[in-house]
Amino acid sequence: RKEVEQDPGPFNVPEGATVAFNCTYSNSASQSFFWYRQDCRKEPKLLMSVYSSGNEDGRFTAQLNRASQYISLLIRDSKLSDSATYLCVVNKGYGGATNKLIFGTGTLLAVQP
Amino acid sequence: DAGVTQSPTHLIKTRGQQVTLRCSPKSGHDTVSWYQQALGQGPQFIFQYYEEEERQRGNFPDRFSGHQFPNYSSELNVNALLLGDSALYLCASSLGAEKTQYFGPGTRLLVL
Repeated sequence: RKEVEQDPGPFNVPEGATVAFNCTYSNSASQSFFWYRQDCRKEPKLLMSVYSSGNEDGRFTAQLNRASQYISLLIRDSKLSDSATYLCVVNKGYGGATNKLIFGTGTLLAVQP
Repeated sequence: DAGVTQSPTHLIKTRGQQVTLRCSPKSGHDTVSWYQQALGQGPQFIFQYYEEEERQRGNFPDRFSGHQFPNYSSELNVNALLLGDSALYLCASSLGAEKTQYFGPGTRLLVL
């Protein structure tokens, strides 16, 4: 079983739609959680951290359920520019020399005009 | 404020050769991690350097080695290249206890 598993893609949605991505992780010792965005042939870029209380950044909302080891990302009012691969990421470390990011395979989002 | 930089951007090698990739961390960062991203996959952790020492290692063979210099820059070396080593190699930097890692643009390696 992979340490981080994500919904298989691709997700093809029309502009303005709401889309949700889900992710599960297997290691309960995981300390911190992120969503990264990766555009085609580019490096991953941090989209947002994910907290147990849930957090929102504009049209993006992230949720963490530690008991179920489940992470989600909700995108409202999708824009063409949201088209990218979204990577669910878990950090098993405690910071500094113990940081180790574990990535999911990623979910491809294609927003259609 | 310069971000993470990597060189070269692209590289073509043949099986059995050796390659060295370079990374300069974001200004003020002291920790460098290396990842391999095969086509259609998420990045896979190779190893991490802090205070010029390898602190953690992923499931990669000894053909993969690295180094960190006093100025925090880092190199990734791969010996005896295999076709399966073809991938995007990403360097990420972070600062001390901070957990957020910032990625460079990567080096795209093709092994023929």
